[in-house]
Amino acid sequence: GQNIDQPTEMTATEGAIVQINCTYQTSGFNGLFWYQQHAGEAPTFLSYNVLDGLEEKGRFSSFLSRSKGYSYLLLKELQMKDSASYLCAALDSNYQLIWGAGTKLIIKP
Amino acid sequence: IAGITQAPTSQILAAGRRMTLRCTQDMRHNAMYWYRQDLGLGLRLIHYSNTAGTTGKGEVPDGYSVSRANTDDFPLTLASAVPSQTSVYFCASSDSEGSTDTQYFGPGTRLTVL
Repeated sequence: GQNIDQPTEMTATEGAIVQINCTYQTSGFNGLFWYQQHAGEAPTFLSYNVLDGLEEKGRFSSFLSRSKGYSYLLLKELQMKDSASYLCAALDSNYQLIWGAGTKLIIKP
Repeated sequence: IAGITQAPTSQILAAGRRMTLRCTQDMRHNAMYWYRQDLGLGLRLIHYSNTAGTTGKGEVPDGYSVSRANTDDFPLTLASAVPSQTSVYFCASSDSEGSTDTQYFGPGTRLTVL
C-alpha cells in the first residue's frame, strides 16, 4: 500500500532550527511536496522536490533522497508565525498526491 | 474573486439531508479536486476533474458526487448526509492534472452532520 509517515508533533524554540522528517512508500514516484497549514486555514505550497538533494528557499529548505524514500523540511531562524502543521505529500505514478497526516510544529518563545 | 472560493464556510446538517458544497476558481486551471481532512488523517481525495466535462473518483468517493459543467465551478454533493461525513472539505485546483503542477486550495468548508 501507499503510505506517508511524519511525526505527529514537534516543539522548537524561537530563533532555533528544526527539521521535520517524512518517509514515503508509493507506487511510483513523481515528486515530493511540502505544504504549510495554519490552524483553521487552507494548506499553502512551500516546496517541491523531484531530484535528490537540497532545495533552499529563504529560511526554508527541503531535502529529498529517492533511494531512501525520505525527505525533510528544514526551518531556520524560527519565528512564532511558523507555528503550523507541515504536510508532506508524494506524487505517485498516476500523479495523485498521497498525503501524510501532518506534523504540528509548536514554537515556544 | 481571487483564487479559489468555497461556500458555505461552515454548515450544520441533519442526517439524511442533501447538501451541495460550492467551489469556484478564477485562475482558469484545468484540474480541480475535492478533499476531506479529518483529525489525525492526511487529506483524502474524494473526486477530481482533469478538465471541464470530465470527473474521476478518488480514494473515498462513496456518498459523494461531483459535476464539472465549466472550467470555474466544481460543486460537491452529498445526496443523503451521514454523521461520518462530518469533516473539513477543501477544494483545490492546479494548472493541469497528471503533472507536477502545484495544487492551490480554497479556504475550506467545515461540515457537521448530526
